[in-house]
Order: sequence, then C-alpha cells, then structure tokens
Amino acid sequence: AQSVTQLDSQVPVFEEAPVELRCNYSSSVSVYLFWYVQYPNQGLQLLLKYLSGSTLVKSINGFEAEFNKSQTSFHLRKPSVHISDTAEYFCAVSEASGTYKYIFGTGTRLKVLA
Amino acid sequence: GAVVSQHPSRVICKSGTSVKIECRSLDFQATTMFWYRQFPKQSLMLMATSNEGSKATYEQGVEKDKFLINHASLTLSTLTVTSAHPEDSSFYICSARDRRQGASNYGYTFGSGTRLTVV
Repeated sequence: AQSVTQLDSQVPVFEEAPVELRCNYSSSVSVYLFWYVQYPNQGLQLLLKYLSGSTLVKSINGFEAEFNKSQTSFHLRKPSVHISDTAEYFCAVSEASGTYKYIFGTGTRLKVLA
Repeated sequence: GAVVSQHPSRVICKSGTSVKIECRSLDFQATTMFWYRQFPKQSLMLMATSNEGSKATYEQGVEKDKFLINHASLTLSTLTVTSAHPEDSSFYICSARDRRQGASNYGYTFGSGTRLTVV
C-alpha cells in the first residue's frame, strides 16, 4: 500500500518570493507521482507528474518538482510566486502498474501575500 | 484538452431524500471513473471505482447501498446518495480515465465537484 505525507497544511509566502511545498511518499512498489492544484470550490487540475526518466519535471506556469527516490520525496518548488498561485496543492501517488488508484496527501494551502 | 463535466455544482436537499450527481466525459471515452469525497480542509478520499458496464468497486468503509454508482456508458457515470443525512454533506468529485490511455494510469481528468448540503 502507498501513503503520502504533506507535512505543511498551510504555507504563507510573499509575492515574488520562492516557495517549496513538501511531499513524501511511502511505497513498496514503483510509483508515479503527481501534483494537483485545486482552486476554491473547483475540481483538481494536474500541475505536473513524474512517470519515469528525468527526475526533474516542470509545469508550464513555472512550478517544478524533483523525484528523489532515496528520500522518497517529490517536493514542489517555484522560484517566484504570484497572487494567482494561491490555492490548495495536493500530492498524489499511484502504482506504476496495476490498480489505477490515486492516493492523495492531505494538501497544502499556499497563500501568497501582497 | 479532456474535459469532465460534473453536475450539479451545488445541491441542497432535505434529510431523507436522494440526490444524483452526474459526471460526463465530453470529448473522450472514460473506461474508468473514480468518485471521491472531500471533507473541509482535508484530502480526497476515494469512495469507489467504476468501470463501464460493470459493478462499481467500493473502498473499505463506504456503504454501497447508500452511495449508488452507475457507469452505464463510456461517457457517463452517476453517483446517487440515497436517504441523505447531514453527515453526508461534503464535496464530491469525480475523475475519469481516458480509454486512449491504454494501460497507463496517469493524467486523469477531474470534474469540478459537487457541494452537497443536507439539511
């Protein structure tokens, strides 16, 4: 079975400052890793994913995440945040083969301050 | 890109009544749909997985008689909350797996969610 831990429930940060949202996972099998973003009263949007290959993955809006197998982490980073990045961010894991189920972390609320 | 339309976005119902939530894949065929429940400020909890034309598989602790899931076609899945009670109030979200993904299990498309309030 897999599990995902997002230790930070809330992260306040000033606009144009860098941010890191932490995600650690646990699994006995190979996994795929994802970051999703949720705006208030909306569904989830895929931000980026790691499937295989390069351990650094990037999104079109400046976010990046690095898969670290030895530390079982998949932290999300952005060098300079905008007010519009304020949202809930969920890390998720699924088995690389098999059930298609996603296991989500508890989420991190990113609040960008002016 | 792929779009999943979920309706209604909000619903308020009286205790004891049933509510149906629809999830449609608009421009792709969804072999598998997932239904999640999200409590305030908490993560998404998978309730059940439904494959087109077969019975849904429910997660442990989810009452299958209370949360009826139907996946009658490749573009439509419904979740019916039967005899709703205030504790069923929550945010329900569906996600769909594109048939074209084959054996891949990534990049599911999520609906926009339904906020159910039972009074």
